[in-house]
Amino acid sequence: TQLLEQSPQFLSIQEGENLTVYCNSSSVFSSLQWYRQEPGEGPVLLVTVVTGGEVKKLKRLTFQFGDARKDSSLHITAAQPGDTGLYLCAGYNAGNNRKLIWGLGTSLGVNP
Amino acid sequence: NAGVTQTPKFQVLKTGQSMTLQCAQDMNHEYMSWYRQDPGMGLRLIHYSVGAGITDQGEVPNGYNVSRSTTEDFPLRLLSAAPSQTSVYFCASSYHSMLTGLAGVETQYFGPGTRLLVL
Repeated sequence: TQLLEQSPQFLSIQEGENLTVYCNSSSVFSSLQWYRQEPGEGPVLLVTVVTGGEVKKLKRLTFQFGDARKDSSLHITAAQPGDTGLYLCAGYNAGNNRKLIWGLGTSLGVNP
Repeated sequence: NAGVTQTPKFQVLKTGQSMTLQCAQDMNHEYMSWYRQDPGMGLRLIHYSVGAGITDQGEVPNGYNVSRSTTEDFPLRLLSAAPSQTSVYFCASSYHSMLTGLAGVETQYFGPGTRLLVL
């Protein structure tokens, strides 16, 4: 059972476009993290959100944690080719903080 | 700091061969883990360790062994390689929530991965 559903699975856009990717669950999470993985590399943490309704910004990236702490979104404004990569969400289930649960990822390609 | 290092970067094995994937970190992290990443399957936890001398199984442990004799090193052993073990393997480390008091917010630091092909 995949507890964290990411959508879309694949996304190909032109430079300058905006996009949103989603990470959804029917379970409550104590925190959610977003990682970016570039080809041939390991994932790198972008942000951690811990409070329901929390919004964090990282330059052109905006992250939001749902009020009920069951979902999160990542919005990229004016995408650039350097944003290309696999975006992974990962969360610590509210009932078991020792187990990190991973989504399958959204593969983003930004064309110049 | 070098962070998390993994060797080798690439490896080709024949079915039945054994090998050890090396992982080391220089951040004094208590928690270390091994994942495999396959298309359509995401990251799956193989084994993890919360400190030297302590290891436990993850989601897909069969065919793999680990040990943790030091804080820095966490090798993954394939005892008898099978084609189903063809994958990209990532080692990760983090602080342990029981020590930081910040349960659920630990950053996972990943190595660059080992690409393994079993023929």
